[in-house]
Amino acid sequence: ETGVTQSPTHLIKTRGQQVTLRCSSQSGHNTVSWYQQALGQGPQFIFQYYREEENGRGNFPPRFSGLQFPNYSSELNVNALELDDSALYLCASSLELQSSYNEQFFGPGTRLTVL
Amino acid sequence: QKEVEQDPGPLSVPEGAIVSLNCTYSNSAFQYFMWYRQYSRKGPELLMYTYSSGNKEDGRFTAQVDKSSKYISLFIRDSQPSDSATYLCAMSAAVPAAGTALIFGKGTTLSVSS
Repeated sequence: ETGVTQSPTHLIKTRGQQVTLRCSSQSGHNTVSWYQQALGQGPQFIFQYYREEENGRGNFPPRFSGLQFPNYSSELNVNALELDDSALYLCASSLELQSSYNEQFFGPGTRLTVL
Repeated sequence: QKEVEQDPGPLSVPEGAIVSLNCTYSNSAFQYFMWYRQYSRKGPELLMYTYSSGNKEDGRFTAQVDKSSKYISLFIRDSQPSDSATYLCAMSAAVPAAGTALIFGKGTTLSVSS
């Protein structure tokens, strides 16, 4: 069973640029959540995708957008990058089962630095 | 006031010590309470979750939830150097799926020396 993978591992961008981060969910999982973890902080929920539809969103501006593909992999896109966007971006996958708790499995993250 | 408060530490203990990690929260709607461990340059991994109030034990780890005080704890017995990591508490108001966000604390950095 393959775990959650993310790419790239790290990247450096400048203010105003756009970035795309990628996530492959764990085998059998149909739900992907994205979190932003600033240095010294806990992860903050950006949004979640279930069966290719956005299924919940945190307090992030519209320049943060995403996609989920038929194979349940996902992308996070950030436009007009700001210095404060520098953070570790975490992807978590899970199997949507509304009637019971289901664990979110996190990937290793993508470290984004905005200069 | 943040929804979830967690002392970031750092916390340093000798090997074999009992470690107590805590979080307080303000949202009485939270029902699911989780503890994650995050090693440097890795994503968080789930240690334990608890539904509503009560205790849960798993090996050297015990999670406690006191909803009346809005206070949760994680105890680590016989701590090992391999326990050195950042511990994050997380909570949600509903089943952690279907668009439900996990609300995390800042994390407590633990160092266990041999």
